[in-house]
Amino acid sequence: GAGVSQTPSNKVTEKGKYVELRCDPISGHTALYWYRQSLGQGPEFLIYFQGTGAADDSGLPNDRFFAVRPEGSVSTLKIQRTERGDSAVYLCASSYGLAGGSDTQYFGPGTRLTVL
Amino acid sequence: SQQGEEDPQALSIQEGENATMNCSYKTSINNLQWYRQNSGRGLVHLILIRSNEREKHSGRLRVTLDTSKKSSSLLITASRAADTASYFCATYQDYKLSFGAGTTVTVRA
Repeated sequence: GAGVSQTPSNKVTEKGKYVELRCDPISGHTALYWYRQSLGQGPEFLIYFQGTGAADDSGLPNDRFFAVRPEGSVSTLKIQRTERGDSAVYLCASSYGLAGGSDTQYFGPGTRLTVL
Repeated sequence: SQQGEEDPQALSIQEGENATMNCSYKTSINNLQWYRQNSGRGLVHLILIRSNEREKHSGRLRVTLDTSKKSSSLLITASRAADTASYFCATYQDYKLSFGAGTTVTVRA
């Protein structure tokens, strides 16, 4: 498809379990971003990749959260020892990573994570 | 933390009327962007205005930016039922977007 895709669309897990969320960016986009959106709030930045490397992971809330992008395309957000407070919609976005203030990020539909 | 704050939090208008929402932010920016979100289509990019621009138009959308007041406004003219959604402003700095909590717009038929 032409847009950003995310799988699964919904994930229900139990407290303490490990989860992986996948993002397929738009073909040709070198930059990839993860955001988290809680109910009634706007998305909050988690991590930004330029190519294969994490250029900025300042938004990751703690060391239970980790993300990879080994081949510079698909990315996986990994959450260890999930907590109920991790329940949210996890959004992935991609862009050309242009400098100069004109870069537009295109968002996927998100993965709704529910931790019971 | 979220930089932008939208005002009002919610807005209900009649089809055909105009809708205006405002956004204030705290730090310097490269650009400011507006997004729309509804349950059917996720978060959709509407318009980007650079820090050196004051006004921009796209179809029925008009965005203004006042960097001295650190504020922006989004005007939707001749609203339609399909405009019912949440609207977010997002400031862009160092490749990151910082979103506000959004304005929920309901357009009544």
